[in-house]
Amino acid sequence: KAGVTQTPRYLIKTRGQQVTLSCSPISGHRSVSWYQQTPGQGLQFLFEYFSETQRNKGNFPGRFSGRQFSNSRSEMNVSTLELGDSALYLCASWGGTTSYNEQFFGPGTRLTVL
Amino acid sequence: QKEVEQDPGPLSVPEGAIVSLNCTYSNSAFQYFMWYRQYSRKGPELLMYTYSSGNKEDGRFTAQVDKSSKYISLFIRDSQPSDSATYLCAMSEKTGFQKLVFGTGTRLLVSP
Repeated sequence: KAGVTQTPRYLIKTRGQQVTLSCSPISGHRSVSWYQQTPGQGLQFLFEYFSETQRNKGNFPGRFSGRQFSNSRSEMNVSTLELGDSALYLCASWGGTTSYNEQFFGPGTRLTVL
Repeated sequence: QKEVEQDPGPLSVPEGAIVSLNCTYSNSAFQYFMWYRQYSRKGPELLMYTYSSGNKEDGRFTAQVDKSSKYISLFIRDSQPSDSATYLCAMSEKTGFQKLVFGTGTRLLVSP
């Protein structure tokens, strides 16, 4: 079974630009969650998509948005990048219902904002 | 104050030692508790998933949850150098893996 894939793995952008990150979950998994990991704040929840609908949302500004496609692949977008957005962005997939007790993270996309 | 507190370490132990990793939390609504292992430059890997209070064992790993004290633990028996990694606790009010709140992680170093 293929793992969770994230593209691109590394990205360098400048302040004010926007960026789109992609996540392909495990086959059959309907839920994709996004997390931001920084040395100071650790892992922080951004949002979760389940069956193409945003089911949960964290406490991030509206510059952070996402979507999920019918094949469960998900994208997140950050507009008007700030220096503080430099982080490792991780996505995690799981089945999405209580019948599942397995979850897998992707390797992450490392975003650097200059 | 963070909802989930975790000592950052590093925690250094010799090979074969029993390791105890802990987290405390403030939100009494948390019902689902997880432990993850994260190697450098990798995504977290789920080790243990527990619901409510009690113990759960899986191989060399034992997870304990004490909701009355708002305290969770992960024990690693017969630690190996390959266990050297950062260990993250996480918890949620909701079923499954929805909206997880993570601790900042404890770095563990197991020396041969």
